[in-house]
Amino acid sequence: DTAVSQTPKYLVTQMGNDKSIKCEQNLGHDTMYWYKQDSKKFLKIMFSYNNKELIINETVPNRFSPKSPDKAHLNLHINSLELGDSAVYFCASSLQGAEEQYFGPGTRLTVT
Amino acid sequence: GESVGLHLPTLSVQEGDNSIINCAYSNSASDYFIWYKQESGKGPQFIIDIRSNMDKRQGQRVTVLLNKTVKHLSLQIAATQPGDSAVYFCAEVYGGATNKLIFGTGTLLAVQP
Repeated sequence: DTAVSQTPKYLVTQMGNDKSIKCEQNLGHDTMYWYKQDSKKFLKIMFSYNNKELIINETVPNRFSPKSPDKAHLNLHINSLELGDSAVYFCASSLQGAEEQYFGPGTRLTVT
Repeated sequence: GESVGLHLPTLSVQEGDNSIINCAYSNSASDYFIWYKQESGKGPQFIIDIRSNMDKRQGQRVTVLLNKTVKHLSLQIAATQPGDSAVYFCAEVYGGATNKLIFGTGTLLAVQP
């Protein structure tokens, strides 16, 4: 009965590669998010989708492209990975708006 | 473990004591605040929230206090238990039509048995 799930949990890849992280929520929520947590534990929003529409797009390199095939899924594709992309990426969802967000377990991305 | 090399503000308490975690927020227009708990290797988990028209809200063993005058939020945990050991984040909701959560730095709570 996982609420927000992400795959993979760990991702180790080399610089220059392209990779995707998938997120699914079974809560019936309308809004989904991607956050990046750096090595100092700082959590920053990257993107937000409401009913498959992009509503928040923070200052993120355009190598990062979110895609929402339906309101239960929000995937994150990253092109030309760089060392600085190493972080833990969290997906989250909320019923609507920014209130009470439910977070997934995170994907630890390591770029070598 | 994950805390190696991590220089988060840390609060160390004895099991059974009360804990108070403080947070300064940035935007006086923020109207909603949330405390999250993040255990090692997991995603943040909602603990308690408060709206800007309140100055105190209580949950089970937790109390959040809001002082809008000085833009300060605190989380009080009563009778702290080893399972409370985690990083705690305050977050403010900000941004009008495109509300978004802005997270604070985080405080590591270490409970000593």
